[in-house]
Amino acid sequence: DTGVSQDPRHKITKRGQNVTFRCDPISEHNRLYWYRQTLGQGPEFLTYFQNEAQLEKSRLLSDRFSAERPKGSFSTLEIQRTEQGDSAMYLCASSLGAGGFNEQFFGPGTRLTVL
Amino acid sequence: AQSVTQLGSHVSVSEGALVLLRCNYSSSVPPYLFWYVQYPNQGLQLLLKYTTGATLVKGINGFEAEFKKSETSFHLTKPSAHMSDAAEYFCAVFSDSWGKLQFGAGTQVVVTP
Repeated sequence: DTGVSQDPRHKITKRGQNVTFRCDPISEHNRLYWYRQTLGQGPEFLTYFQNEAQLEKSRLLSDRFSAERPKGSFSTLEIQRTEQGDSAMYLCASSLGAGGFNEQFFGPGTRLTVL
Repeated sequence: AQSVTQLGSHVSVSEGALVLLRCNYSSSVPPYLFWYVQYPNQGLQLLLKYTTGATLVKGINGFEAEFKKSETSFHLTKPSAHMSDAAEYFCAVFSDSWGKLQFGAGTQVVVTP
């Protein structure tokens, strides 16, 4: 399968714990995006990378959130000191280049439940 | 700035009937417009997109959408619903100045026999 993959698919954690999610984009895609989707809502932009550079972060991304893409390939999203409000589906997408002409391909998501 | 409004969070259609999902957008610059579908516990799949040129866009699974600049709309239609069309549908807008996708809240489609 050459699509976008995410790991784990589901994560249940207790409030206050740290969690880390991984996203493997389609190879050769230089853009990688993270979104958060809560129940009944559309995905909301969190951050994106151009190769290894993080170019933009949403105000939704508090100081407890950090994302990396160290070699311009896979990316990780870490949430420290999780809160119940962090419960959501975290989606990763990748595209070949910037701009609206370049389709974003989405992974299956990681569903986080904070107890 | 840009925003997307999807009218109706839930739509119920009979199998074989017309599917119509409404989307209106606002954008200060010419937008790129998208419809995505999401099946339970899955990521988003692109149905179709408008970039430039022909305003009537055909996508996968028999869906199509028409870009109407004067109405700032990009409604999604399918002439005949199948049971497999039951899913959540998201309209999204992208502009080069904004640099990222802005999604609507989604419309859940239920298909009844």
